[in-house]
Amino acid sequence: SQKIEQNSEALNIQEGKTATLTCNYTNYSPAYLQWYRQDPGRGPVFLLLIRENEKEKRKERLKVTFDTTLKQSLFHITASQPADSATYLCAPTDSWGKLQFGAGTQVVVTP
Amino acid sequence: NAGVTQTPKFQVLKTGQSMTLQCAQDMNHNSMYWYRQDPGMGLRLIYYSASEGTTDKGEVPNGYNVSRLNKREFSLRLESAAPSQTSVYFCASRDPGQPQHFGDGTRLSIL
Repeated sequence: SQKIEQNSEALNIQEGKTATLTCNYTNYSPAYLQWYRQDPGRGPVFLLLIRENEKEKRKERLKVTFDTTLKQSLFHITASQPADSATYLCAPTDSWGKLQFGAGTQVVVTP
Repeated sequence: NAGVTQTPKFQVLKTGQSMTLQCAQDMNHNSMYWYRQDPGMGLRLIYYSASEGTTDKGEVPNGYNVSRLNKREFSLRLESAAPSQTSVYFCASRDPGQPQHFGDGTRLSIL
C-alpha cells in the first residue's frame, strides 16, 4: 500500500538557521508533490508545488527538491523566523490530482 | 474574501446521534473534498465531488454520506455517530490542476 513518511518528531531550530524537512514515499509514483503549512486550529495552506521533471523549486525563503529515484522530497526554510513555527505537510499527487498527505512535521523556531 | 467556510466549528454529539457538517466555497471551484484529520495521521479523504452532481468515495467513506447541493456547497452527514468518528473534519475545494484550498475545520467529539 502507499505510504508517506515525514519526521514525527518536532524540529526545534534557532532563528536564522535553515530547517530541513524530509518526505519519503513508497509504492507511489506521483506526478508532482505539494507542500502545505498548517497552524494550530487552522486548515492547511498551500505553499509550493514541484513537478516530477523539476529538481528544485524556490519561493522566497522556501526551497523544495524532488528526487523521484530516491522517492523523496526535501523542504528547506532558510533564515528561519519564529513566524515559521507550524506543522508542514507533504502531499504526493498523482496525474489525476489525487493527493495523499503525510502526517506532517512540526517546526518550532526559537528566538 | 471568505474562501472555504465550514460550520459548525465545534460540535459534541452522543453516540447514535446524527448531524450534518456544512461547507461552502466562494471561489467557483469545480471540485470539493471532505477529509478527516486524526493525531499522528495524515489527512484522509472521506468523499469528494469532482464536479456539481457527482460524488465519489475516498479512502475512509464508511459511516458517512455526502451531498453536493450546488456548485458552492458540499455537506457531510453522519447518520449514526460513533466514538471512532471523533476527529477534526476539513473541507477543501480546487480547480483542476490547482492546489486545494481548505476551510478551518469542524472539531467533532462523539461521546
